[in-house]
Amino acid sequence: DAGVTQSPTHLIKTRGQQVTLRCSPKSGHDTVSWYQQALGQGPQFIFQYYEEEERQRGNFPDRFSGHQFPNYSSELNVNALLLGDSALYLCASSIPGPAGGSYEQYFGPGTRLTVT
Amino acid sequence: KNQVEQSPQSLIILEGKNCTLQCNYTVSPFSNLRWYKQDTGRGPVSLTIMTFSENTKSNGRYTATLDADTKQSSLHITASQLSDSASYICVVHLMNSGYSTLTFGKGTMLLVSP
Repeated sequence: DAGVTQSPTHLIKTRGQQVTLRCSPKSGHDTVSWYQQALGQGPQFIFQYYEEEERQRGNFPDRFSGHQFPNYSSELNVNALLLGDSALYLCASSIPGPAGGSYEQYFGPGTRLTVT
Repeated sequence: KNQVEQSPQSLIILEGKNCTLQCNYTVSPFSNLRWYKQDTGRGPVSLTIMTFSENTKSNGRYTATLDADTKQSSLHITASQLSDSASYICVVHLMNSGYSTLTFGKGTMLLVSP
């Protein structure tokens, strides 16, 4: 059973460019969340996708957008890259649990984005 | 101000020794609290999940405690191994109006030396 996979592993882009990161959730999972983790910091929530729609969004500008496909895989797009966008981008998948209950999020290995 | 505060920021211990990492949180309403282990450059891996009604949970050499009244949690690692060297992140899960969010601490960087 494959866990959460992400591609590419590493990426180097120039300021102003656009980037697309990809995530395939763990088998049986239908919810995908994206996080940005700067060096030495905890992950920051970007947004979450469920049933091909953005269900929740963190405090990130519109330059960050996403998509979820019918097979539950997801993409994160970042436009007009800034130096400050350099970070590890993590994807996590889960099954929506009962309201108020706990559910497990499984993280992928991440994509290391460097903006020069 | 981060709503999940971890201490210490970093820690060095000798192989075989025990250590305890702390987490204080202010976020509410609280659903559950998780501890993750994150190796450098990798994604976090879940160690424990505790609801507000649980006050301790173990996973091998890892034991997490939770005091929902004081909003404090700790992660105790016994008989440390070199492979325990990693960042340990405390995460609070909130459920509010049908939406769930995870609030992450900045993590404690643990180095186990031989």
